[in-house]
Amino acid sequence: NAGVTQTPKFQVLKTGQSMTLQCAQDMNHNSMYWYRQDPGMGLRLIYYSASEGTTDKGEVPNGYNVSRLNKREFSLRLESAAPSQTSVYFCASSGTRGGRFYGYTFGSGTRLTVV
Amino acid sequence: AQTVTQSQPEMSVQEAETVTLSCTYDTSESDYYLFWYKQPPSRQMILVIRQEAYKQQNATENRFSVNFQKAAKSFSLKISDSQLGDAAMYFCAYRGQETSGSRLTFGEGTQLTVNP
Repeated sequence: NAGVTQTPKFQVLKTGQSMTLQCAQDMNHNSMYWYRQDPGMGLRLIYYSASEGTTDKGEVPNGYNVSRLNKREFSLRLESAAPSQTSVYFCASSGTRGGRFYGYTFGSGTRLTVV
Repeated sequence: AQTVTQSQPEMSVQEAETVTLSCTYDTSESDYYLFWYKQPPSRQMILVIRQEAYKQQNATENRFSVNFQKAAKSFSLKISDSQLGDAAMYFCAYRGQETSGSRLTFGEGTQLTVNP
């Protein structure tokens, strides 16, 4: 099925550990995004990549790094996890139809707990 | 910066009835996109409906329709003939043109309960 695939679905880390969240899309979209969702809040943008080879900070980038490996893949890395990074993480991609921006497709999310 | 406000943290509706979820936004742009996303307990973000600001006609998708008031910067979602499967968190979202870096800005969400 076409869409956005992110792994893992669940992860528990100890404070100070590192990990990488993987994301891949098969819709040939140029733009990809990483969001986090905290309880009682909407999604907030961490980083995005408007096209292959470019990345930019979003609203809450501190403590994270990203890599746009190729057009399909966009990974998010936590170098030294902190309890404040406990959240649900979503990867998304966006594309166009008929030359106009159409919308975003989201992955199923990763629930990360940092203890 | 663009902001999106959903003033109703929770709403409830009886099955088969109609409910309207409110959303307002703030922007200085003239061309933009608005979305309603549904998030059921599975956490999956599902696109319900989209609206392009340059189009005056309100978008509809089966039982879902919007009331887009550009001058008032209001974008409400109406769900007709509510079903138990409509129970979810609903997010209103805004996306401007390229100057916004194609970012999607979300409201805080409205939790919809559907009572049998």
